[in-house]
Amino acid sequence: GENVEQHPSTLSVQEGDSAVIKCTYSDSASNYFPWYKQELGKRPQLIIDIRSNVGEKKDQRIAVTLNKTAKHFSLHITETQPEDSAVYFCAAINDYKLSFGAGTTVTVRA
Amino acid sequence: DTGVSQNPRHKITKRGQNVTFRCDPISEHNRLYWYRQTLGQGPEFLTYFQNEAQLEKSRLLSDRFSAERPKGSFSTLEIQRTEQGDSAMYLCASSLNGGAGADTEAFFGQGTRLTVV
Repeated sequence: GENVEQHPSTLSVQEGDSAVIKCTYSDSASNYFPWYKQELGKRPQLIIDIRSNVGEKKDQRIAVTLNKTAKHFSLHITETQPEDSAVYFCAAINDYKLSFGAGTTVTVRA
Repeated sequence: DTGVSQNPRHKITKRGQNVTFRCDPISEHNRLYWYRQTLGQGPEFLTYFQNEAQLEKSRLLSDRFSAERPKGSFSTLEIQRTEQGDSAMYLCASSLNGGAGADTEAFFGQGTRLTVV
């Protein structure tokens, strides 16, 4: 089955700096890679996703890159703000099964 | 509210009792997932339905866990003879699959927080 590894587990950044989270996956057949943000006590919510036929996708301050050959993908948050503080999960889907990384707790210091 | 709905939001039960949770997915979604999440961890896959068919059940899931999705609409997750280790947040998610390479976003419900005492 798919195994998704995520690093780092915690990340503290100064407001205005960038944050980068990296994930690797094991199943080369995986073709859809969403990123979820989960605030304390709330449900995970999709913030950006990328499909296997695309190398990069950007949405305002958030960008995701995918390297299919190396089987890794990354989330980049620029100009971080206090409201970016949350737990971020990467995921990979192969056919139907959505497998998650262990999460990264991001803290943005004012 | 047209999102994924889960009931109850919280459940406290004594060890050994049976509990049942319900998930109402977004109406046109044909895929439904159950996940379990403990503090500081990512959602752990439990089981998956394509319409009414249960296509996969995690090997981590004991025989005390069972899920159904009659008529391909709402789903229930039952845990029999609960143990303290079952305490977790149980999340339901749904998505629409329109064919090969056409996966769409999985929307999560608010979850059911189970506490076994």
